[in-house]
Amino acid sequence: SQELEQSPQSLIVQEGKNLTINCTSSKTLYGLYWYKQKYGEGLIFLMMLQKGGEEKSHEKITAKLDEKKQQSSLHITASQPSHAGIYLCGADAIYNQGGKLIFGQGTELSVKP
Amino acid sequence: DAGVTQSPTHLIKTRGQQVTLRCSPKSGHDTVSWYQQALGQGPQFIFQYYEEEERQRGNFPDRFSGHQFPNYSSELNVNALLLGDSALYLCASSSGTGAFTGELFFGEGSRLTVL
Repeated sequence: SQELEQSPQSLIVQEGKNLTINCTSSKTLYGLYWYKQKYGEGLIFLMMLQKGGEEKSHEKITAKLDEKKQQSSLHITASQPSHAGIYLCGADAIYNQGGKLIFGQGTELSVKP
Repeated sequence: DAGVTQSPTHLIKTRGQQVTLRCSPKSGHDTVSWYQQALGQGPQFIFQYYEEEERQRGNFPDRFSGHQFPNYSSELNVNALLLGDSALYLCASSSGTGAFTGELFFGEGSRLTVL
């Protein structure tokens, strides 16, 4: 079965610094999703990537999909305390059939003022 | 516009008991999915309901069952609770089904503790 591995598992950065979170899949990625979660709360959708080489940005967050490497990266520029939380990557488990997402274990981000 | 609402937010049960969790999807959404999230882990897919039928199911035992009502709301039932069932149960809603899951709207979750 497909597995998603996120790295690093946790990250502490100084406010204003840039950071990158990686998500590597054991199988081909068809649909890749990034979500943010505050501790013990629901997930908030950030971005969806479908095609190899695709890159999307929302405010200071950019995500890319490298289909060949079966990997996606999430980059935050000039981090702020509001960026703190748990970032989760998810992927469609079945080709051409949406509905079931497989998630990575999450990356916990802390931003020091 | 109300988002996804779940109830109860917290509950405590003992081993062997049964629990029912409830979810109302975001207005305009007709598809509901349930996920289990253990502490420090990513969510795991339990099942998805569309048109009042279970469309997909994850690797969970039959103790986990669900239902979707004509108004698209949904229930998750867990029988014969085990300590390992302690987790945050997340409900997510979306519109229709297709080749990709698309954007899911999650509720705040129901925190279940089994003693």
